Amino acid sequence: AQKITQTQPGMFVQEKEAVTLDCTYDTSDQSYGLFWYKQPSSGEMIFLIYQGSYDEQNATEGRYSLNFQKARKSANLVISASQLGDSAMYFCAMRENNQGGKLIFGQGTELSVKP
Amino acid sequence: GAGVSQTPSNKVTEKGKYVELRCDPISGHTALYWYRQSLGQGPEFLIYFQGTGAADDSGLPNDRFFAVRPEGSVSTLKIQRTERGDSAVYLCASSLTRWLAGGAEYEQFFGPGTRLTVL
Repeated sequence: AQKITQTQPGMFVQEKEAVTLDCTYDTSDQSYGLFWYKQPSSGEMIFLIYQGSYDEQNATEGRYSLNFQKARKSANLVISASQLGDSAMYFCAMRENNQGGKLIFGQGTELSVKP
Repeated sequence: GAGVSQTPSNKVTEKGKYVELRCDPISGHTALYWYRQSLGQGPEFLIYFQGTGAADDSGLPNDRFFAVRPEGSVSTLKIQRTERGDSAVYLCASSLTRWLAGGAEYEQFFGPGTRLTVL
């Protein structure tokens, strides 16, 4: 069963607008972590933001925030004030804490920021 | 400081050959991970080391794949009798030990990857 689902293969956003990238996950564990990574065309994986399953507040890192809805098992990434440099692939990932440190990734969403 | 490095950056080989891919993690990171990323897909977990030992090798696709980390630092992913389906980008990541508290310490830092092409 797919554990991380990203339903948007591609998204467009106008520069300076906000955009939400969807991510839903499936786990029976109570303790887990959710991550978002950015992968530009250069191929490097860049960590953006982390949310622990026991964190009561949504994580924020600069222009990135994670809209964590535990009951719905969703962990959407919100990028505010989009910039041209935000154009990249975005991957949602989960770590189940009783499964070691391995990350399970979604299929990714390709974000294109229009000037 | 230096990030995760991987060599070679590109490797072209012929079907049936043996290849070795090297990963040099961030100094002090005890956990090391290998992932494989096929075109248009998210990375898929292969193997995870905690120190010198493979804590989880459940992602290795078959016995042609093997990885070592003899001194708890550099790791080598070895692929025997390569097949065209092995063509992918092989990513290595490292992190501090998972037993530290807090979210930021669990962050996995990725290397630039090795693009393997099997002709």
